[in-house]
Amino acid sequence: GESVGLHLPTLSVQEGDNSIINCAYSNSASDYFIWYKQESGKGPQFIIDIRSNMDKRQGQRVTVLLNKTVKHLSLQIAATQPGDSAVYFCADSLWTDKLIFGTGTRLQVFP
Amino acid sequence: GAVVSQHPSRVICKSGTSVKIECRSLDFQATTMFWYRQFPKQSLMLMATSNEGSKATYEQGVEKDKFLINHASLTLSTLTVTSAHPEDSSFYICSARLGADEKLFFGSGTQLSVL
Repeated sequence: GESVGLHLPTLSVQEGDNSIINCAYSNSASDYFIWYKQESGKGPQFIIDIRSNMDKRQGQRVTVLLNKTVKHLSLQIAATQPGDSAVYFCADSLWTDKLIFGTGTRLQVFP
Repeated sequence: GAVVSQHPSRVICKSGTSVKIECRSLDFQATTMFWYRQFPKQSLMLMATSNEGSKATYEQGVEKDKFLINHASLTLSTLTVTSAHPEDSSFYICSARLGADEKLFFGSGTQLSVL
């Protein structure tokens, strides 16, 4: 992940719509990628992960897409709900090494 | 998922004092724990990797004498912020891996405010 910046980008979506959160990573050798959700004043919560030998993985209402060619990761949330409002971080690592976090995106869901 | 407990959740201290933060893996053994720091509206920055029974590995720019890490058992790692100053005020978060599983499980974080 690229951990830079003082201002979190914000994505505002209407309840029920789909959300797409994007992330760029810098280490082309990274082989493991993960998305976390962080609510205010709390620690990050695991959402979904993917390995470099895959380009798509689905969970419950969430899908992660990996494009290794352009070093891009995305998180898709279907039928976004108010409870999905949080900051979302991507992270990457190499061979079970330390996780490096991206900048983060704030998701705001409005009725 | 696995549970990581972090204590205290919030601490306010005077400048010059030391503060200890505990991180426990409640239902699993963690040979490796990680300590992160997070400023408001910013991402998590890895401070150090805590290894049970050996010295911690610090990231570049993190003062090891300032941030003392002890990993005395497979379920407990502590971070001590020594001689804390206002610039040390931040949200500190610990995490641990469950065996060979690569994903990290995080504690609930500690908000440190140094007056």
